[in-house]
Amino acid sequence: EVQLVQSGGGFVQPGGSLRLSCEASGFTFSSYWMHWVRQAPGKGLVWVSRIERDITTYADSVKGRFTISRDNAKNTLYLQLNSLRAEDTAVYYCAVGYNIPEGFFDYWGQGTLVAVSS
Amino acid sequence: EIVLTQSPATLSLSPGERATLSCRASQSINYSLAWYQQKPGQAPRLLIYDASAWATGIPARFSGSGYGTDFTLTISSLEPEDFAVYYCQQGGTWPPWTFGQGTKVEIK
Repeated sequence: EVQLVQSGGGFVQPGGSLRLSCEASGFTFSSYWMHWVRQAPGKGLVWVSRIERDITTYADSVKGRFTISRDNAKNTLYLQLNSLRAEDTAVYYCAVGYNIPEGFFDYWGQGTLVAVSS
Repeated sequence: EIVLTQSPATLSLSPGERATLSCRASQSINYSLAWYQQKPGQAPRLLIYDASAWATGIPARFSGSGYGTDFTLTISSLEPEDFAVYYCQQGGTWPPWTFGQGTKVEIK
């Protein structure tokens, strides 16, 4: 069974840093593109970042501040969030397209809240 | 960037009624569109991908159609558990992968 279990997140002041983790199981983690998607309180879904092997892609709003990475030996995806702003406050989800074409997401983590406030 | 515009913003219907949700893309994405359902406090759930293909375990009352710039999600007969927010998402031109702003299906 495919599972994505997230950890990390929490409350941080503007300009601070956090690291999110997403541990995968039930599939060959190294073979799949992995994504991060976020959702601000009461708002819609916004794609944040993708990693394919060692090729990374970012939304313009986080480029230069966030870093996506993966440890295939640990089956774990990471998102390092630096220089955080109030507008980065959101629930962050990791997601994968496992049984479907790349670019869609059929499995999601449970989400983790990042709250940026002074 | 592909902009997806969903309509209506809110749909007020009764159980048993038919729901028709629309998603329009700012330029052609062929059939590269997905639909997700999201309930409060939960992660999104994939319903449809490639405009009309069912994700695993999705009931047949959900169906998708469309090509190019205009897409539709139809729920043939609303069940109580179908009242939720629905998002479309394009996978045709990226980055970025983009989502619509959502349609809330609420109980009338």
